[in-house]
This record gives sequence, structure tokens and C-alpha cells, in this order.
Amino acid sequence: AQKITQTQPGMFVQEKEAVTLDCTYDTSDPSYGLFWYKQPSSGEMIFLIYQGSYDQQNATEGRYSLNFQKARKSANLVISASQLGDSAMYFCAMREGGGNDMRFGAGTRLTVKP
Amino acid sequence: DTGVSQNPRHKITKRGQNVTFRCDPISEHNRLYWYRQTLGQGPEFLTYFQNEAQLEKSRLLSDRFSAERPKGSFSTLEIQRTEQGDSAMYLCASSSTSYEQYFGPGTRLTVT
Repeated sequence: AQKITQTQPGMFVQEKEAVTLDCTYDTSDPSYGLFWYKQPSSGEMIFLIYQGSYDQQNATEGRYSLNFQKARKSANLVISASQLGDSAMYFCAMREGGGNDMRFGAGTRLTVKP
Repeated sequence: DTGVSQNPRHKITKRGQNVTFRCDPISEHNRLYWYRQTLGQGPEFLTYFQNEAQLEKSRLLSDRFSAERPKGSFSTLEIQRTEQGDSAMYLCASSSTSYEQYFGPGTRLTVT
């Protein structure tokens, strides 16, 4: 069964600094996709970044990058140059290759300090 | 606005009543998903449609829950005989590929 673990319930970062949000996963399927979503207090889930299990390079999208370590089954999100607007809940999620359901972790609440 | 929309945004109902939520996906997206999110947790998958066909249902979707997507466009999620444990945020998402899903703002249900 799939499992997503986010071990940091809350994280603080100073504005303009970088922060890493941890995510580990467990699957026996060799084909899977990993996702990060941001959920501000308004409630809407905002897609940030995607990494496929066969991708050779780590995914990057603007200030977001995914540190994908396949052997360790980790997919940490790195946010560079944090902004106050980055304060939100962040969810790591995974979908196995043959499935349609996406499984989410419990989330990490990021607070950016001015 | 071409994003996913959900109505209503908030619903308060008494235990035992039926409620129905609507989701309008991004127009060119043929895949539609429903999730439920309780406080302090990540979303949990409920069901998946490809066009009008409901192809997957989670065990979380008890027989009191039913979802439809009659014309392959908007979808409805109905909960019959609501219970206090049904209180949650119900999220709809759509996609055109098997990759990222785009979420709506959700419907927050409170059962009193």
C-alpha cells in the first residue's frame, strides 16, 4: 500500500532564506509520480511541482525544486528565497503508475517570518 | 475565470439530511476527482471519473455517498442521511492528463 510521510508538522523560515520540507514515500510500484501542493488559508490546493519516478533530473519550477532521492524514497521540496506569501500548508502526494487516486501526506505548515 | 469551481462553498446541515455538492471542472479536462479533507489531514481520495464514466471508488465512499457526471462535464456529489463524521472539506479536482490535478476551492460541510 502507498504511504506518504511528512515528519515536520510545522516549519519556520526567515524571509528570503531557503527552506526544505521533507517527504518520504513507500511503494512497490516502479512507476509512480510525486507531487507537491500548497494550501493557503483560503483552502484551495495549488499545484507546485511534479517528479516522475523515471525522471533522471530533479524537477524545478521557479523558486521550487524537488530533491528526489529514489534509493532513499524521499522527495523533499526546496523553496528558495522565501516570501511572506509562502506561508501555508504544504502537502506531498504520490500516485502509482496504474492508479488514479493520489495519496497525500499529513502536511507541513510553513510560516515565513519577516 | 477558467479554474475549477465548486458550489456551495459552505453548507451547514442537520444530521440525517441529504446534501448535494456541485463541481465544474476546467472545460477541456476529461478527468474529474473528488476528495475529502478533514481538519489537520491531507485530502483523501473518494472517486474518479473519466468523461461520464465513474472508473474508481474508494472504500471511503460508503453507500450513503453517490457521485455522478452525467454529461462528462460537471459532477455532483450527494451525501444521504448525513452524519457528524461527514463534516469535512470536499474537494474536486480535474485534469487532462495523468499528471497534475487542478483543485477547486472546496465545499466545507458542517453537520450539526
